[in-house]
Amino acid sequence: QQQVKQSPQSLIVQKGGISIINCAYENTAFDYFPWYQQFPGKGPALLIAIRPDVSEKKEGRFTISFNKSAKQFSLHIMDSQPGDSATYFCAAPSGSRLTFGEGTQLTVNP
Amino acid sequence: NAGVTQTPKFQVLKTGQSMTLQCAQDMNHEYMSWYRQDPGMGLRLIHYSVGAGITDQGEVPNGYNVSRSTTEDFPLRLLSAAPSQTSVYFCASHRGKDSPLHFGNGTRLTVT
Repeated sequence: QQQVKQSPQSLIVQKGGISIINCAYENTAFDYFPWYQQFPGKGPALLIAIRPDVSEKKEGRFTISFNKSAKQFSLHIMDSQPGDSATYFCAAPSGSRLTFGEGTQLTVNP
Repeated sequence: NAGVTQTPKFQVLKTGQSMTLQCAQDMNHEYMSWYRQDPGMGLRLIHYSVGAGITDQGEVPNGYNVSRSTTEDFPLRLLSAAPSQTSVYFCASHRGKDSPLHFGNGTRLTVT
């Protein structure tokens, strides 16, 4: 059973700051590592994903960094905005299934 | 395009009652899943399906049944509700193993 450990559980950042969320996984047989974003009362939605053949992927203010040897990947949100306040989940595939981390509740203060 | 539709949005059950949470998708996705979300525990997989007629258990299947008679529908049945099943339930669908999951907006279930 794939284990995915996410930290921190909650994060408070000032507007304009950098938000960093980390994930560690156990199994190395994966080729797809997504991050999901969830707003209150809604289902999660894909934010950004990376494949392990690259070490970094950037989409706008969001960047995934991947460290295969350490079995870790992280989400960086540059110039954090109040509209980024949400819960973020990392995930790792396990066969036909997707295992999610515990989630990080991000609050960006204006 | 509706995407993934879950009904009902809210439900209150008494211990021992049974009910079915409905999930329908209109994207012709082969893969569908049910997750429950509890504070501090993330999203935990209950059951999943890789196509019509094919289902399998996830991390926390006890107390739940599923079936997949059509590509579009994937209902989740609670056989005899328990307070431990109080949670928010999400249904998701996706095209393949490495494709994005599309989630519904959830069903908030309270068992008293």
